[in-house]
Amino acid sequence: GAVVSQHPSWVICKSGTSVKIECRSLDFQATTMFWYRQFPKQSLMLMATSNEGSKATYEQGVEKDKFLINHASLTLSTLTVTSAHPEDSSFYICSARDGSWGSTEAFFGQGTRLTVV
Amino acid sequence: GENVEQHPSTLSVQEGDSAVIKCTYSDSASNYFPWYKQELGKRPQLIIDIRSNVGEKKDQRIAVTLNKTAKHFSLHITETQPEDSAVYFCAATTYTGGFKTIFGAGTRLFVKA
Repeated sequence: GAVVSQHPSWVICKSGTSVKIECRSLDFQATTMFWYRQFPKQSLMLMATSNEGSKATYEQGVEKDKFLINHASLTLSTLTVTSAHPEDSSFYICSARDGSWGSTEAFFGQGTRLTVV
Repeated sequence: GENVEQHPSTLSVQEGDSAVIKCTYSDSASNYFPWYKQELGKRPQLIIDIRSNVGEKKDQRIAVTLNKTAKHFSLHITETQPEDSAVYFCAATTYTGGFKTIFGAGTRLFVKA
């Protein structure tokens, strides 16, 4: 199947700093990528939908100024957690779907475990 | 808003027995229903999916059923093995100008040897 690579796998940062997470589709073009947050033993909560060349669509309750999303190319979307605080500590995971409706399967990155100290 | 409910949250079965996980969705426009398996600390992996124009799909020990009228879909695992132990998520995808996938809360499956 298709490969989605997420980087870094884990990161520890100080409160107040910003962290950038990258999501790359390695062997297909992803016009749409999705960013999820997962708390321990909980489900994947959709944060936002990232569309190549346009603004991301954020889910209700997700602060767009806090979680900046950029989808500058068909193979890369980035999520920047700005001015991170301990409550932002979580597992962040992206998924990507290639450009056609015929391919409905979404492929996940390996996730990024963020710890804010 | 859109919602996917999943039950049970935890399921423990004996090796060789069957396991059934059930989900309901709220958005009648949903037309694609994937099931993911997530092992601890790893990414979710698609194990089976079903589209809204199909009522049942089977892949070896795994089967999924869909009742569009009732907005229910279920995952059935037969002859369970210890390596089936993981968290399973159902999801409902809608395409209304763009794809959107909502996940159920997950079911932690334990298969006892």
